[in-house]
Amino acid sequence: NAGVMQNPRHLVRRRGQEARLRCSPMKGHSHVYWYRQLPEEGLKFMVYLQKENIIDESGMPKERFSAEFPKEGPSILRIQQVVRGDSAAYFCASSLTGLDGYTFGSGTRLTVV
Amino acid sequence: DQQVKQNSPSLSVQEGRISILNCDYTNSMFDYFLWYKKYPAEGPTFLISISSIKDKNEDGRFTVFLNKSAKHLSLHIVPSQPGDSAVYFCAASGQSGGGADGLTFGKGTHLIIQP
Repeated sequence: NAGVMQNPRHLVRRRGQEARLRCSPMKGHSHVYWYRQLPEEGLKFMVYLQKENIIDESGMPKERFSAEFPKEGPSILRIQQVVRGDSAAYFCASSLTGLDGYTFGSGTRLTVV
Repeated sequence: DQQVKQNSPSLSVQEGRISILNCDYTNSMFDYFLWYKKYPAEGPTFLISISSIKDKNEDGRFTVFLNKSAKHLSLHIVPSQPGDSAVYFCAASGQSGGGADGLTFGKGTHLIIQP
């Protein structure tokens, strides 16, 4: 089990482009969480998904950001029309049932130029 | 408004001594607390947790203390080792699953263990 896999590790986008971040949870985990870490900040919760369902998206900006976790395939965090302020490290975590099995991936570092 | 605060951005400790990392919170609804360790270019790794019904939890060299009345928790590492050098994040949740609204993280403390 390779753990939580995120790709790409680094992503560079020009302002206005779309960014797609992928997260494959640990085998058997059906709970996925996305967090964002801005420079010099802690991680901020964005969205919590279970297979095919968004459970809580209270931490996600209302515009330009969307997330999905389809029945087959990885969870996708999509950022449309990226701006410089979107530059951050985006971490995905997965869990079997709840918090104790919360395992983070290595993150995707998005740079908007 | 920061609900979880780690007021020391960095801490330097000599190898073999005790490292004490502190964390304060403001939300009285938090009832589950965790510490994560993070190396550069890696994701956070879970270290230890504590439920609000306890005031201490120990795992090897790591002990977490919770003072609910003061809304304060601390992580003790003893003895400190060079491999402990990392950023430590304190996190809190309003439920042991942390699922419904995720975890609330502090900004982290960079622990440096000096030989």
